[in-house]
Amino acid sequence: QKEVEQNSGPLSVPEGAIASLNCTYSDRGSQSFFWYRQYSGKSPELIMSIYSNGDKEDGRFTAQLNKASQYVSLLIRDSQPSDSATYLCAVKRDYGQNFVFGPGTRLSVLP
Amino acid sequence: GAGVSQSPSNKVTEKGKDVELRCDPISGHTALYWYRQSLGQGLEFLIYFQGNSAPDKSGLPSDRFSAERTGGSVSTLTIQRTQQEDSAVYFCASGTTGTGAQHQYFGPGTRLTVT
Repeated sequence: QKEVEQNSGPLSVPEGAIASLNCTYSDRGSQSFFWYRQYSGKSPELIMSIYSNGDKEDGRFTAQLNKASQYVSLLIRDSQPSDSATYLCAVKRDYGQNFVFGPGTRLSVLP
Repeated sequence: GAGVSQSPSNKVTEKGKDVELRCDPISGHTALYWYRQSLGQGLEFLIYFQGNSAPDKSGLPSDRFSAERTGGSVSTLTIQRTQQEDSAVYFCASGTTGTGAQHQYFGPGTRLTVT
């Protein structure tokens, strides 16, 4: 079992719709969770971090964490074509530990 | 302020040659990470430096790979006797590791092509 799993996609949504990206992880000791966006040919950039169960909203983005189910998701409201990218989920066990990345989900927002 | 910088941006080398990739982290960041990403693949963790602690080398794929971080700042990733399967984009990231501030910021990457 891979440590962090994501559907590879592509996930296609129409412009203005809600895009839902999912991530599961195997290490129950994971404490910190991150979503990165990576445009083709570019480096990853941090979108959201979440540390506690529940929802965390930042603009059009909402991260959801459920540690009991070992599940973290990212919702993108009012999706725009500029949101088309690969979204990487990353988890971190503890202070001083390295990040573990999922394979990424490719999102395509259709005009 | 300045972000993470990497050099060179592109490197083409012949199989069997050694290469050095350089990373300049954000000033003050105690954590430094190296990853690589093969075409169409996810990020593969290579090595992690945290302050003066011994680095986490658990991701290095073979003993041809090594890295050092001098003075807690600049880092160099060295690949000896390069192979074609080493072709990838190598990313460096730096970050802070305080509670609630465990972000990492990526450099632009070095694209390595082994011919």
